[in-house]
Amino acid sequence: GAVVSQHPSRVICKSGTSVKIECRSLDFQATTMFWYRQFPKQSLMLMATSNEGSKATYEQGVEKDKFLINHASLTLSTLTVTSAHPEDSSFYICSARDILRGLPNTIYFGEGSWLTVV
Amino acid sequence: EDQVTQSPEALRLQEGESSSLNCSYTVSGLRGLFWYRQDPGKGPEFLFTLYSAGEEKEKERLKATLTKKESFLHITAPKPEDSATYLCAVQGAGGGADGLTFGKGTHLIIQP
Repeated sequence: GAVVSQHPSRVICKSGTSVKIECRSLDFQATTMFWYRQFPKQSLMLMATSNEGSKATYEQGVEKDKFLINHASLTLSTLTVTSAHPEDSSFYICSARDILRGLPNTIYFGEGSWLTVV
Repeated sequence: EDQVTQSPEALRLQEGESSSLNCSYTVSGLRGLFWYRQDPGKGPEFLFTLYSAGEEKEKERLKATLTKKESFLHITAPKPEDSATYLCAVQGAGGGADGLTFGKGTHLIIQP
């Protein structure tokens, strides 16, 4: 299957600082990428949809000024958690849709990024 | 609002003991129902996409089926390496974001 890479896999930052997470589609172009957050033993919750070359669409309750998303190319989307606080500690996962590979709607996920804010 | 409910929350089976996981959903205009496998601390691994009622797909010991209200993931003669959390998600045709709505998953443990 297609490969989606996230970096870093784990990051620890101090409260009040910002941290950037990258999501790359390695062998396909992704016009749309999605960012999810998952708390322990909970389901994945969609945060925002990232469209190449345009502004991201945020889900209700997600602060767009806190979670900055940039999708500057067809293979890279970034999520920046600004002024991070301990309650932002979570598992952040990105996914990308490969519209050219066979079936019209196959969505692949990255390995996730563990964020711990201390 | 799209909703996905998975059952059971957890399932413990003996190696070789076949069973089924359930995913009930409500969605406005189903564009796709997805099954993923998630190992601890990892991102979801794509298994299947089903698009319409009556559709079935198979991969090794797994078989996914779809009706208008639910999907089943059948596991035949499972092995310990099949232990994982299995996630079901739907993508609806309604407005808003184009992402998936996930269930909470079924935590499957296969004992040798």
